[in-house]
Amino acid sequence: AQKITQTQPGMFVQEKEAVTLDCTYDTSDQSYGLFWYKQPSSGEMIFLIYQGSYDEQNATEGRYSLNFQKARKSANLVISASQLGDSAMYFCAMREGHVQGSGNTGKLIFGQGTTLQVKP
Amino acid sequence: ETGVTQTPRHLVMGMTNKKSLKCEQHLGHNAMYWYKQSAKKPLELMFVYNFKEQTENNSVPSRFSPECPNSSHLFLHLHTLQPEDSALYLCASRIQGGNTEAFFGQGTRLTVV
Repeated sequence: AQKITQTQPGMFVQEKEAVTLDCTYDTSDQSYGLFWYKQPSSGEMIFLIYQGSYDEQNATEGRYSLNFQKARKSANLVISASQLGDSAMYFCAMREGHVQGSGNTGKLIFGQGTTLQVKP
Repeated sequence: ETGVTQTPRHLVMGMTNKKSLKCEQHLGHNAMYWYKQSAKKPLELMFVYNFKEQTENNSVPSRFSPECPNSSHLFLHLHTLQPEDSALYLCASRIQGGNTEAFFGQGTRLTVV
């Protein structure tokens, strides 16, 4: 069965420094996608970055990068130059299967989340 | 703003009440989802709709009843809820197929008293 594990319930980082949020996953599927979402106190889940299982390069989106280590089944999120507005809950999620029409409903399996607080 | 709108944002209801949560998107997405987020728990998938057809019910109690009248709207009808149903209910949508991300609404924070 699919599983996402985020072992850090809470993290602190100094403003302008980089921080790594850990995520490990478990799946028997060869084709899958990994996502990171940010959830501020307002509740909305904001998509940050995506990594496909067949992507050879680590994904990057602005200050966000994903450290994808397939053999270790880890997909850590790196936030560079932290800002006060980065304080939020961060969720790692996985979706199995990339093939349309394969019966894949596109559902996401989420980890428990990590609360990040950026200190001024 | 993700383009997915949920109403109401907050709802307090008694255990004998009947209420409905609404989710709306005009992004051209054809898959819509309901997730439940309880305190200190990961998001739990409740229902999946693809092209207005329900394709997954994740063992959700019958006191939660989803409805998808068209590809832009998704409802969650609530009746005779329990206090443990208090949670943040999140709606999401995406284009089915491939590796597209899901767009989430801001959620409805439900309190059952």
